[in-house]
Order: sequence, then structure tokens, then C-alpha cells
Amino acid sequence: QKEVEQNSGPLSVPEGAIASLNCTYSDRGSQSFFWYRQYSGKSPELIMSIYSNGDKEDGRFTAQLNKASQYVSLLIRDSQPSDSATYLCAVYPGGGSTLGRLYFGRGTQLTVWP
Amino acid sequence: GAVVSQHPSWVICKSGTSVKIECRSLDFQATTMFWYRQFPKQSLMLMATSNEGSKATYEQGVEKDKFLINHASLTLSTLTVTSAHPEDSSFYICSASEVGEKLFFGSGTQLSVL
Repeated sequence: QKEVEQNSGPLSVPEGAIASLNCTYSDRGSQSFFWYRQYSGKSPELIMSIYSNGDKEDGRFTAQLNKASQYVSLLIRDSQPSDSATYLCAVYPGGGSTLGRLYFGRGTQLTVWP
Repeated sequence: GAVVSQHPSWVICKSGTSVKIECRSLDFQATTMFWYRQFPKQSLMLMATSNEGSKATYEQGVEKDKFLINHASLTLSTLTVTSAHPEDSSFYICSASEVGEKLFFGSGTQLSVL
């Protein structure tokens, strides 16, 4: 059973602050990791992908991966009210699994208040 | 980015009827598409992997006779919910992979069964 765990929140931060979202996964052989943003009633939107240990930055977003600890995180700097959404962590297990077949966490609901 | 179109966006039907949902990749060929279901405040649960020209692969616990999947071309997959019941009411989302494991989602279909 491939588990992806996230703190469901809600996480509430003031505008301009750093929001930190965390995710752990059970399959040590997992190869690829993704963060999706989902607004209520909408489909998920890919915002970050990370494949190797360390940090990856894209604008206000930074993804961090630690495969030894089976941990991946997403930092949102200078949080804006428009960042308020549910953030889904997704893991691709590799190992012959069909490309694109991802396992998702339950999501963390983020609220950024002005 | 890749565009995946899903139709209809929402549907209301009577219990016992069948509903068809279409998923199209608009600017790329998708040999594999995925169907997810999402209940309120829950994560995306993979229902099945749809392979062009062959039978779909269903996840454990998903009834293949109830959720019929057809992937007749490289740009179209359909999900038919047969004899729908109120417990089938959910948000259904399709996705397709263009490059590697990056997954792009359709806009989702909210199904309400009365």
C-alpha cells in the first residue's frame, strides 16, 4: 500500500508570510514528486515537480525533497490571498508503474488572510 | 502546457440512469489517460487507467461493469457510470500524461444522482 500523508489543516497565514506545507510518503523507492493546487470545485493544477534531493525554486514557490526521510515540502513565500486553496502532494512510485499513475495525499487547505 | 478537456462540467441525473463523461487531449496524443474520483474534502482516488486500444486497468474495489471506460482513440477516453445511484455522486476528473510523469487534468465533472 503506497501511502501519501499530509496534514489536512487548515493552515492559516497572514498575507506576506511564508506558508509551509508538508508531505510524507511510504514507498521508499518513489521517484518523482509533485505539488498540485486545487481551488474548490476545480481540477488540480500542477505548480511544482521535484525529482532529486534538495531544493527547487520557482518564483515564490520552493519544493524541498529529502528521500532519506521520505519527506517533501512546499514553501510559499510572500503568501497572497489568491494562494488560498487546497494543496495536494502527489508521488510517482516508479518501479514499472505506468507513467502518470500518481498517488495523492488528502491535501492541505491553506487560507491566506489579508 | 498541455490541455485536457472534460465534458460535461456537471450533470444531474435520476437514479438508475447512465451518464457518459468525455475526456479529450486537445494538443497532444495520450496513449494513457487516468480517471479519478474525489469526494468532498477527500483526495483524488485513482479509479482506472485507460489505455488506447485495449481494456482499462481498474483499481482494487472499483467495479469495472459499473464504470465503463472506452479509449478508442489517442485523444479521447470516456467514462460511463452505469445505473448510477446517489452514492456515485462525486467529482470525476480525468487526466493525461504528456511528458514523463507530469499529469495534466481535465476540468472535472460534478455528478449528482438524485
